[in-house]
Amino acid sequence: GAGVSQTPSNKVTEKGKYVELRCDPISGHTALYWYRQSLGQGPEFLIYFQGTGAADDSGLPNDRFFAVRPEGSVSTLKIQRTERGDSAVYLCASSLTGVGSEAFFGQGTRLTVV
Amino acid sequence: KNEVEQSPQNLTAQEGEFITINCSYSVGISALHWLQQHPGGGIVSLFMLSSGKKKHGRLIATINIQEKHSSLHITASHPRDSAVYICAVRAGDSNYQLIWGAGTKLIIKP
Repeated sequence: GAGVSQTPSNKVTEKGKYVELRCDPISGHTALYWYRQSLGQGPEFLIYFQGTGAADDSGLPNDRFFAVRPEGSVSTLKIQRTERGDSAVYLCASSLTGVGSEAFFGQGTRLTVV
Repeated sequence: KNEVEQSPQNLTAQEGEFITINCSYSVGISALHWLQQHPGGGIVSLFMLSSGKKKHGRLIATINIQEKHSSLHITASHPRDSAVYICAVRAGDSNYQLIWGAGTKLIIKP
């Protein structure tokens, strides 16, 4: 597709379970970002990829969160031992170069931990 | 004090009215984004600005770097413009992270 695609659009999981959230960026975009948006708040930066490498993972809240982008396109955000506080909309964005280029956002994955 | 502040927080207007949403920031930036978020929906990028003015359809965005201020205008507003409009800045020394405003919830009544 032409835009950033995130799957699944909704995910309900039980506390303690492992989840994976997928992001397909716009083809050719080297930069990819993950954000988390809790109810009533603005998005919170999690991690930034430039190509295959995580250029900045300072926003990941703890070691239960991990993200990969093995081939420099699709990225997966992985959350281990999920907690109710992880419930949020997880947003992915990509941009052509990551430096001064516009970011395009996916629709987000709404994660609910019960 | 938040680094990015938007006003108003909420705005209700009648169809056809001219809408202005303001964004002030306190950090040095390399770019400013205006984004739109519909209820339950994802975020759509409207504009990215580093100077001057941009226009797309009924939307106009301006930025004054000296005053650290940007405005988003909507002409001939329509109920489908109802959404949350978010201002986010790309900090000059860390240009991949965005600092987000709290958003302005706009409702356009028919």
